[in-house]
Amino acid sequence: EAEVAQSPRYKITEKSQAVAFWCDPISGHATLYWYRQILGQGPELLVQFQDESVVDDSQLPKDRFSAERLKGVDSTLKIQPAELGDSAMYLCASSLERGGQETQYFGPGTRLLVL
Amino acid sequence: GQQVMQIPQYQHVQEGEDFTTYCNSSTTLSNIQWYKQRPGGHPVFLIQLVKSGEVKKQKRLTFQFGEAKKNSSLHITATQTTDVGTYFCAGRYGNKLVFGAGTILRVKS
Repeated sequence: EAEVAQSPRYKITEKSQAVAFWCDPISGHATLYWYRQILGQGPELLVQFQDESVVDDSQLPKDRFSAERLKGVDSTLKIQPAELGDSAMYLCASSLERGGQETQYFGPGTRLLVL
Repeated sequence: GQQVMQIPQYQHVQEGEDFTTYCNSSTTLSNIQWYKQRPGGHPVFLIQLVKSGEVKKQKRLTFQFGEAKKNSSLHITATQTTDVGTYFCAGRYGNKLVFGAGTILRVKS
């Protein structure tokens, strides 16, 4: 069964450093999402791509976060500089259909700890 | 902004007892999805409800969508230890999916 791949699975960094996370969605999935999940809370959407275009980044802290999906396949989420409050699980998800109406399939996530 | 409230935050039940979690939105939803996240895992899709008043069943799980499409519930009959985890509802507002805070279920054997 196809899965969403993410790397790394765990990342420990010091504040003010730069970190990057990678996601490879299920093959053929047009829509890709990055979520942040703080312990004890539900996933919060950071950015949504449809193919290579951003369709929603209203919750992305653009002063320090950036995301790209250059060829409309895999995607990278970057934080620079990292802050203590960025410690969380970063989840990538993908869905088959455009328009975001379909089931989202989540990857295993990257757990970030900022010291 | 759009927000989905989910209660209770936490429930600890004896194996064999029933469990219910509730979600509520102040505005009408396009649809609602339910996910389960095992401890240390990632959210896994369970079901999607689209129609007003819709009821769907998956073995011991029963999902309901309110008539006004503003609330939903998940009921588990006769819980088992394999049911432990966090259950999230996610309400769809247009193209945006907004997750509730989740209900943590613990089952005592």
